Amino acid sequence: GAVVSQHPSWVICKSGTSVKIECRSLDFQATTMFWYRQFPKKSLMLMATSNEGSKATYEQGVEKDKFLINHASLTLSTLTVTSAHPEDSSFYICSARDVNGFYDGYTFGSGTRLTVV
Amino acid sequence: KQEVTQIPAALSVPEGENLVLNCSFTDSAIYNLQWFRQDPGKGLTSLLLIQSSQREQTSGRLNASLDKSSGRSTLYIAASQPGDSATYLCAVTIGQAGTALIFGKGTTLSVSS
Repeated sequence: GAVVSQHPSWVICKSGTSVKIECRSLDFQATTMFWYRQFPKKSLMLMATSNEGSKATYEQGVEKDKFLINHASLTLSTLTVTSAHPEDSSFYICSARDVNGFYDGYTFGSGTRLTVV
Repeated sequence: KQEVTQIPAALSVPEGENLVLNCSFTDSAIYNLQWFRQDPGKGLTSLLLIQSSQREQTSGRLNASLDKSSGRSTLYIAASQPGDSATYLCAVTIGQAGTALIFGKGTTLSVSS
C-alpha cells in the first residue's frame, strides 16, 4: 500500500519551454502532497506543500509563478516548471502520506530528472 | 528552526562489517523520524519509521533507535553487503502529522566486496 507514482522519470527541454511533472497516489487519497528539489550530492529541499482544492504553500525563496502547482484531485498533484532555464535543471521528487492507512510515514515518488538545455 | 545533521557524510567499509550511521536534530518536538535509502538518480525508499513515543524499530539487518530528549537517532546495519551501498537519509516530521519532512544531508555508504 501507499504507492506514489511520479512521471516522467526524466525530461530534457529547451530553455524557455514549460515542463509538467505529475505525482499520483495510486492506492490512497492524499489531500496534501509535498514537492522537493535535490541538487547533485545535496539533500532534499522542500519547495512547496500542495493542498487539494486550494493554493499551494511555497517555501521561502521558491517562486510560485515559476513553479506552478495544481492539486485538483485527491490523487494527483502536478508541478509545472514555467519558462525553464538551465539553472532549473535538478531532480524533483514528490511525496505523500496515507492519513487513513496503517503506515504513518511518507512515501516518495521515483523522482524526475529535469535537464534544461 | 529544526536542523537535521548526519554524520559521517561518507563511509567506506568492507563487506561483513557492522556499522552505525548517526542523525541528530535540534528540536526535540518531533512527530516521528524516518530513515530512507536513496540509490544514485533514484527516488527514496523508506527503511524504518520511528514514532516519537518509540525507542527503536527493526527490519531485517537494520535497527534504528531514537533518543528524542537528546535529539539523536542511529541506524545500525548488521553484516553489511555490497548491495547496501547507497545514500542513507534521516528525516523528521515536526509538530502535527501531515507536515513536511526535514532532511539531513545524508550519509553515502560504500560497501566493498
